[in-house]
Amino acid sequence: SQELEQSPQSLIVQEGKNLTINCTSSKTLYGLYWYKQKYGEGLIFLMMLQKGGEEKSHEKITAKLDEKKQQSSLHITASQPSHAGIYLCGAAINTGTASKLTFGTGTRLQVTL
Amino acid sequence: KAGVTQTPRYLIKTRGQQVTLSCSPISGHRSVSWYQQTPGQGLQFLFEYFSETQRNKGNFPGRFSGRQFSNSRSEMNVSTLELGDSALYLCASSSKLGLAGGISYNEQFFGPGTRLTVL
Repeated sequence: SQELEQSPQSLIVQEGKNLTINCTSSKTLYGLYWYKQKYGEGLIFLMMLQKGGEEKSHEKITAKLDEKKQQSSLHITASQPSHAGIYLCGAAINTGTASKLTFGTGTRLQVTL
Repeated sequence: KAGVTQTPRYLIKTRGQQVTLSCSPISGHRSVSWYQQTPGQGLQFLFEYFSETQRNKGNFPGRFSGRQFSNSRSEMNVSTLELGDSALYLCASSSKLGLAGGISYNEQFFGPGTRLTVL
């Protein structure tokens, strides 16, 4: 089973609308990354969250890590066509004996005109 | 500063062959991690190298191996290729070790990937 669940799997929004992508873990997250990927290309780092309750913003994208550090949300305000792509959350999850690096399955975002 | 580079960008092989992929990290970065990305499994961690030593390993068979050179450049090798090995292989570099046996975690910069097709 996927250790990091992202929802929704895909999203189509009209330009100018707001949207939220969620990333949920069954284990405590020690550092949560958000990346954006254009189809078939490498990942572009968006932001990293480490402390419970932490919130970071870059341009029109805001990410938050909840207090219990088991869920993060990525919010895009006034979406633009340039926001289209696949959004991935990644995290180091403590398995008890070691840490394991894992990624969510991704959320495919399309922005229509 | 130049970003992470990966060569080749595209590769077509047949079953049973072996393949070597190369990754040059950002200058000054000593950690290189490799990932496999497929539509079905998503992005999965293969291994991480730091200072020429493998520090972390994902759940992949022994056909997948890697190494890192003294200049931090890394290669990944897949032997006896299977159809299921068709994927986008991404490498990422970081200035520090990503998972130092615990919960240390640092920003990783990804390369454009090598798309491997196994026929």
